[in-house]
Amino acid sequence: AQSVTQPDIHITVSEGASLELRCNYSYGATPYLFWYVQSPGQGLQLLLKYFSGDTLVQGIKGFEAEFKRSQSSFNLRKPSVHWSDAAEYFCAVLDSGGYQKVTFGTGTKLQVIP
Amino acid sequence: DAGITQSPRHKVTETGTPVTLRCHQTENHRYMYWYRQDPGHGLRLIHYSYGVKDTDKGEVSDGYSVSRSKTEDFLLTLESATSSQTSVYFCAISEDPDRTNTGELFFGEGSRLTVL
Repeated sequence: AQSVTQPDIHITVSEGASLELRCNYSYGATPYLFWYVQSPGQGLQLLLKYFSGDTLVQGIKGFEAEFKRSQSSFNLRKPSVHWSDAAEYFCAVLDSGGYQKVTFGTGTKLQVIP
Repeated sequence: DAGITQSPRHKVTETGTPVTLRCHQTENHRYMYWYRQDPGHGLRLIHYSYGVKDTDKGEVSDGYSVSRSKTEDFLLTLESATSSQTSVYFCAISEDPDRTNTGELFFGEGSRLTVL
């Protein structure tokens, strides 16, 4: 079965600094990968997704992610973090078995300090 | 924003009582899901539905049942609530897949359940 691992439970960055959140996946074929963001007390919102093609994908709010098959990774990046980016971020992979099932990682909570 | 409404948004109940959470969508999407979110576990799939009266189990389905009698409603029932079912429950919906939307989920705002 497919799975995703987010090795960092909590990350703190200064406002204006760059950000990279790590995600590693386990999957036999080309995966469908996603990053979601959850603000406190809210549901999840899709940031970006990778299906195929260009390995660098752009998302909303200035985020991007790079798919690296050789490393089984799909890391999320942002060049300059804003205080409003403080949230929890989830990496996810689509189940190949059908029915559009998505498996989520355990999440990385981002704290932004002034 | 996707039209997804969860009710109740907050509930406190006692061990052994039945609880039903409702998810209502106005998007006419085929797929509906119930996830639970717990610290350190991310989101885990409880049950999902791929059409009216078509449902199946997810990875943490023990103690839960679901029903979908209409496209727009997906009910999650805890037959006899336990303290381990204290959690935040999220409903999500998804369209029939095509080249652009495959796997994209739209989430409700969550239902916080506390079992004493």
